[in-house]
Order: sequence, then structure tokens, then C-alpha cells
Amino acid sequence: GAVVSQHPSRVICKSGTSVKIECRSLDFQATTMFWYRQFPKQSLMLMATSNEGSKATYEQGVEKDKFLINHASLTLSTLTVTSAHPEDSSFYICSAREVTRTARVLTFGAGSRLTVL
Amino acid sequence: DAKTTQPTSMDCAEGRAANLPCNHSTISGNEYVYWYRQIHSQGPQYIIHGLKNNETNEMASLIITEDRKSSTLILPHATLRDTAVYYCIVSPGGATNKLIFGTGTLLAVQP
Repeated sequence: GAVVSQHPSRVICKSGTSVKIECRSLDFQATTMFWYRQFPKQSLMLMATSNEGSKATYEQGVEKDKFLINHASLTLSTLTVTSAHPEDSSFYICSAREVTRTARVLTFGAGSRLTVL
Repeated sequence: DAKTTQPTSMDCAEGRAANLPCNHSTISGNEYVYWYRQIHSQGPQYIIHGLKNNETNEMASLIITEDRKSSTLILPHATLRDTAVYYCIVSPGGATNKLIFGTGTLLAVQP
């Protein structure tokens, strides 16, 4: 079945630095990927839709200059948290839908836990 | 996207069937019902989806009422590893359609 890989699974950084998280579709192509954020004991919150070859679409309230998304190929999307602060500490999860798959199913990565000190 | 209503939590005895309800009274004709689950500190896992008809796969069964305003996810023989938060989501399901997660149901399978 479809597999989505995220890297790194855990990252700790100092306040003010930038962190990049990669999301790869391993055995399928994805023109669209989605980035979610999840705080402890809360549900997943959609941050943005990543579109291959074009700008990402951000949900209301998500700062596009802080959360930079690049979808340079049909198998890779990256999320860069710029000038990270402790309040950006969260669980970031990406997902992708296989282009040719008719089952309309989103496959999720295992998530990346960011801790900002 | 239509919203869904699920109980906050449920308990189930190991080996028994777990029946998780979901209300989606404002569902549109082109919207599918999806079920995902999230085991602690992992990414969500797809379980099953359906449009009108009942569906069954190796993980679960999905029963959708005739008016499509509610559905039930059935785990036929729950195990301790089925303890997770279960999310019921309705969405058109197209290539660019996003999934919006609600609060879900925390299913606790008891030994």
C-alpha cells in the first residue's frame, strides 16, 4: 500500500533557529500533500495544502511566512518552521493522496515531533 | 465540509465488538464517510470509507444509515492494540480535498 515517510521523527532546536521537516511519498506520486499540526491532547489541525509546482494554500490563522512549504516534486514536500519559538513545539504530520488511486484515501506519515527550547 | 459528532470516549472489553457511532446530519450527496484512527504519538491510520453502501474490510465494517445522516464503525473483535482515538470525517474525497478532523472518540479496550 501507499507509504508516506517523514523525517526527522524527532527534532529539538533552540529558539530562533529554523527547522525543516520532509515528507515523502515512497511508492506513489502526489500532486497534493497536506500538513497538520497537533498539540497535546488535541485533534489534528490542518495548516496548509501543499501543491506541486505552485504556492501552498494556508488555512486561516496560519502564518505563511513562518511555516514555509515547498513542494518541489511529485514525491517530496517540505515544511520549514522559521525562527522557531517554544510555542511552535508540536507534532507535525503530513499526508498525501495517490494521484491515480481511486479509493480517495489519504495516507499519513508517522509525524515529526518538534521541541523548541 | 459537513461536521460530525462523536462521543468523547467509549470502553470495550477485549474480544468483544466495538461499535463507534458518528452523526453527520448535514452530509452532502457527494461526501464520503471516512474513518481513521490515531494510536498515541503516531500518525492517523486509515480504516475504512463509504458513500452509501455498507462496507467491510479486514479491519472493520462501516454501517451507513439509509438517510446517510449517521454511521457506525464496527471492530468485530477488539484487542488491546485497538485502543486509539477514532475519527469520523466526511469529505468529497477528491484529489485536492482536505480532511478536517474533529475531536474523535477515545476507545479504550479493557482486558
